[in-house]
Amino acid sequence: GDSVTQMEGPVTLSEEAFLTINCTYTATGYPSLFWYVQYPGEGLQLLLKATKADDKGSNKGFEATYRKETTSFHLEKGSVQVSDSAVYFCALSATSYDKVIFGPGTSLSVIP
Amino acid sequence: EPEVTQTPSHQVTQMGQEVILRCVPISNHLYFYWYRQILGQKVEFLVSFYNNEISEKSEIFDDQFSVERPDGSNFTLKIRSTKLEDSAMYFCASSEVSGNTIYFGEGSWLTVV
Repeated sequence: GDSVTQMEGPVTLSEEAFLTINCTYTATGYPSLFWYVQYPGEGLQLLLKATKADDKGSNKGFEATYRKETTSFHLEKGSVQVSDSAVYFCALSATSYDKVIFGPGTSLSVIP
Repeated sequence: EPEVTQTPSHQVTQMGQEVILRCVPISNHLYFYWYRQILGQKVEFLVSFYNNEISEKSEIFDDQFSVERPDGSNFTLKIRSTKLEDSAMYFCASSEVSGNTIYFGEGSWLTVV
């Protein structure tokens, strides 16, 4: 079945470091891809999305490009801040069904 | 900006008791969902609901669980007889159309003691 794999955490970075969180997926057809973020003690917020191959989603300095050839949707940010400390979930959704499938999440801690 | 709202934010219940978690989806959305997240684990799909009926459910969503849309705005998750392992954060979500972006509520923490 469809699935999402993410790099294992936790990831600890110094402020202003470059961030990459790898995400790969397995799906039939052409899913939509998402990154959700969960700040400590809060719910899930949509961070960015891409709905077709080569689309780039971006928000709050984060970017991810839908790469069909490598079935990937890696999350990047050029300079992280302490306030970016959270758990990041890669996810997919297909038009053949109406649910979102989540990856296991990657915990990010940014230290001053 | 429209949002999904959930109540209660936190509930503590005794094992064997019934619990109802409530959600108000975004008003023009047609698809509704419940997910759960056991502490420190991944977000798991429970059930999706469209056109007043369940469209899909996971293995977790057994006979102890039920969902209902009692009126035009609320969407509820009922757990008939709670177990310790039901302790989790339960997220309600909604989307406008199938396969489109799903928006999540803040979650309801359920602690079964």
